[in-house]
Amino acid sequence: ILNVEQSPQSLHVQEGDSTNFTCSFPSSNFYALHWYRWETAKSPEALFVMTLNGDEKKKGRISATLNTKEGYSYLYIKGSQPEDSATYLCAFTNNDMRFGAGTRLTVKP
Amino acid sequence: DAGITQSPRHKVTETGTPVTLRCHQTENHRYMYWYRQDPGHGLRLIHYSYGVKDTDKGEVSDGYSVSRSKTEDFLLTLESATSSQTSVYFCAISGGGADTQYFGPGTRLTVL
Repeated sequence: ILNVEQSPQSLHVQEGDSTNFTCSFPSSNFYALHWYRWETAKSPEALFVMTLNGDEKKKGRISATLNTKEGYSYLYIKGSQPEDSATYLCAFTNNDMRFGAGTRLTVKP
Repeated sequence: DAGITQSPRHKVTETGTPVTLRCHQTENHRYMYWYRQDPGHGLRLIHYSYGVKDTDKGEVSDGYSVSRSKTEDFLLTLESATSSQTSVYFCAISGGGADTQYFGPGTRLTVL
């Protein structure tokens, strides 16, 4: 597996702003793409797993899309809240799982 | 919680000493994983197991060995710890394939 890239590395937004970040991954031999939410001093917590091109998943104010042909996934947060502050990791699976370095989101009240 | 524990949770050791970290699960999942987490690198896979006595190397396996003698336990051993192995180590479990991985609470290891 080649590298999984996430951008931006960090992001600061105001409460109420909507935001999105990107995960880029190798488009060949795709199997699954995972998003995790990781709060400081805790363990990564699964948000979504997507396997099909065009997949869209939603959980409350957070949603994700997947484009396997071009090798990217977007994570969207609508109306950010301070409790959304965390690092958001994506992980690409074919034979094993490779994680990106994450996007650290800080939401200011 | 997915029923994963790690022990110890914190350890400080000296260069050259052996260290073993334990991951224990109560979920009967087939796959178990060891990752290390370092600033700027996210999570990197060290080794994983797809069944009892079945293990394989991950991205950063040099200097580490693993063993899985029963479904519920996956041990990570640093035969001779080095300062570059100072890190936070996470264990994870899954059913395999595209299944979500569930993570343990992590072990903070400091090698002086």
